Amino acid sequence: DTAVSQTPKYLVTQMGNDKSIKCEQNLGHDTMYWYKQDSKKFLKIMFSYNNKELIINETVPNRFSPKSPDKAHLNLHINSLELGDSAVYFCASSRPGLGGYTFGSGTRLTVV
Amino acid sequence: GENVEQHPSTLSVQEGDSAVIKCTYSDSASNYFPWYKQELGKRPQLIIDIRSNVGEKKDQRIAVTLNKTAKHFSLHITETQPEDSAVYFCAATGGNEKLTFGTGTRLTIIP
Repeated sequence: DTAVSQTPKYLVTQMGNDKSIKCEQNLGHDTMYWYKQDSKKFLKIMFSYNNKELIINETVPNRFSPKSPDKAHLNLHINSLELGDSAVYFCASSRPGLGGYTFGSGTRLTVV
Repeated sequence: GENVEQHPSTLSVQEGDSAVIKCTYSDSASNYFPWYKQELGKRPQLIIDIRSNVGEKKDQRIAVTLNKTAKHFSLHITETQPEDSAVYFCAATGGNEKLTFGTGTRLTIIP
């Protein structure tokens, strides 16, 4: 059983399009995250949700909108995609107090 | 907010030798320090972690040390093997559970 699953694994799209990435975890964790990993491998947090409530929103453009329908799911919708959005996006989850994150397998987004 | 610095950015080590990666953090409230290994095209995976009430932790060939006073923590890999080649990330987190990652170290084990 995959603990944190993301879909799609690859996403190639044109500038200006709108796309979504889905994430689901079956670990019973309360907190979920979106991280962006750029071409230099930097891992930067974008959003964090705890039990469907947004708790961290870093300086991410408004074109990015996370949605958490329940504590097992955290989706990421991106409007008006730009070339600079090309990156690998990782979903992760954790249980407060236990610290360690479990990452999904990542979604490689390429904007052309 | 927390700032984590990681050195070196690249490291090449002869197979069988030891590798050391060092990190510093800025927020004295940080209390949890995990290390992640990311192989090419894969997800980051937790390999070892340490909490602020412990100075050292070891798991087979991997050890982590923490100096809270100096805000330093380090990863030590002994008897390196080709499968240790990967990018390694340190991270630090405080009360809000947000992990701030270092910039990564690309470790290459030379056969």
